[in-house]
Amino acid sequence: GESVGLHLPTLSVQEGDNSIINCAYSNSASDYFIWYKQESGKGPQFIIDIRSNMDKRQGQRVTVLLNKTVKHLSLQIAATQPGDSAVYFCAENMAAGNKLTFGGGTRVLVKP
Amino acid sequence: DTAVSQTPKYLVTQMGNDKSIKCEQNLGHDTMYWYKQDSKKFLKIMFSYNNKELIINETVPNRFSPKSPDKAHLNLHINSLELGDSAVYFCASSPLVGLVGETQYFGPGTRLLVL
Repeated sequence: GESVGLHLPTLSVQEGDNSIINCAYSNSASDYFIWYKQESGKGPQFIIDIRSNMDKRQGQRVTVLLNKTVKHLSLQIAATQPGDSAVYFCAENMAAGNKLTFGGGTRVLVKP
Repeated sequence: DTAVSQTPKYLVTQMGNDKSIKCEQNLGHDTMYWYKQDSKKFLKIMFSYNNKELIINETVPNRFSPKSPDKAHLNLHINSLELGDSAVYFCASSPLVGLVGETQYFGPGTRLLVL
């Protein structure tokens, strides 16, 4: 079946640098994507979302890019801070009923 | 104020027991969900309820039975617990059903360990 996936399980970043987390999806019918952040011992927390009619969306220190041609989604975090250390998930939604399919997650470790 | 809350936070039990996990949301949302997160952090949806009605039921053993007494509550009852049921279970809610692109808000999780 089609699924969402992430390339790297762990990303180490120096504090202050920018982080880029990648996600590949294979279902061309997906039209809504979300990035979640999960800190240790907590539930996933919404970061930013994007619909398939957009290529880019910016939030506070975060930017999501969507490339539908190659079915690729990325999350950019500017000036990464220690509080950004967490596991990041991308999720796709392609059907009524609001069923989210999650990718495998990328752990971001911020080094001081 | 906690938006989506779950009890208990930790649950340790023996194989074969029956246990329940409770979830409540005070966001006024119509739709609630149960997810299972395994030891590798993989998150997978189990069930979804809209206004007390089951709308998503993934391939989950029938030992798992969700119950929604009202739209603010979605409980998960598990019969005859097995070792493989050990995981973190997350409840979530979203405003509406049937619309693609509704953000889901997650609870803090219930860590279930079956011995």
